Amino acid sequence: AQSVSQHNHHVILSEAASLELGCNYSYGGTVNLFWYVQYPGQHLQLLLKYFSGDPLVKGIKGFEAEFIKSKFSFNLRKPSVQWSDTAEYFCAVNAHSGNTPLVFGKGTRLSVIA
Amino acid sequence: GAVVSQHPSRVICKSGTSVKIECRSLDFQATTMFWYRQFPKQSLMLMATSNEGSKATYEQGVEKDKFLINHASLTLSTLTVTSAHPEDSSFYICSAAGLAGDEQFFGPGTRLTVL
Repeated sequence: AQSVSQHNHHVILSEAASLELGCNYSYGGTVNLFWYVQYPGQHLQLLLKYFSGDPLVKGIKGFEAEFIKSKFSFNLRKPSVQWSDTAEYFCAVNAHSGNTPLVFGKGTRLSVIA
Repeated sequence: GAVVSQHPSRVICKSGTSVKIECRSLDFQATTMFWYRQFPKQSLMLMATSNEGSKATYEQGVEKDKFLINHASLTLSTLTVTSAHPEDSSFYICSAAGLAGDEQFFGPGTRLTVL
């Protein structure tokens, strides 16, 4: 069965600090990988996704993620965070074969302080 | 991008009543819809997978007689929480996958509170 691990439960950063959130997955086949963000009181929004090709994926709001197949990892990065990045971040994976449900990590709460 | 709506956004009901939540894909046809549940400060947990015109597939531990799912058309799936109890209070989120099946689009969620 698929599983997703997000090792950081809560991350606190000052504005302009660099961010890296870890995500590791367990699955025996080819996967699609996603990062979603959930701002307080709002619904999930897709930050970026990886299906195939260049393992370095750029998403919205300056976020990027790198797929490292050998490490089963898909870490999320941002060079300089802003206060408005305060949110819950979820890594998710599904089978590459399509129309399969997403398996989510437990989420990482990011708090950005001025 | 593709838009998925959910109705209602918030519902409060008495224990023992049934609540229906609608999930619609507004600008694409969704062959598959998924229903997730999110408890406060927790991640999304898959409840069931719904394919248009066929019976839903429920995850282990999810009572199919309690959470009735109907996917009668390519743009609408409904989740009915029957005989709701306070422990059913949660945030219910649907997602829809288009014909290509490579990405899911999430609805804004429905917050159910059972008194």
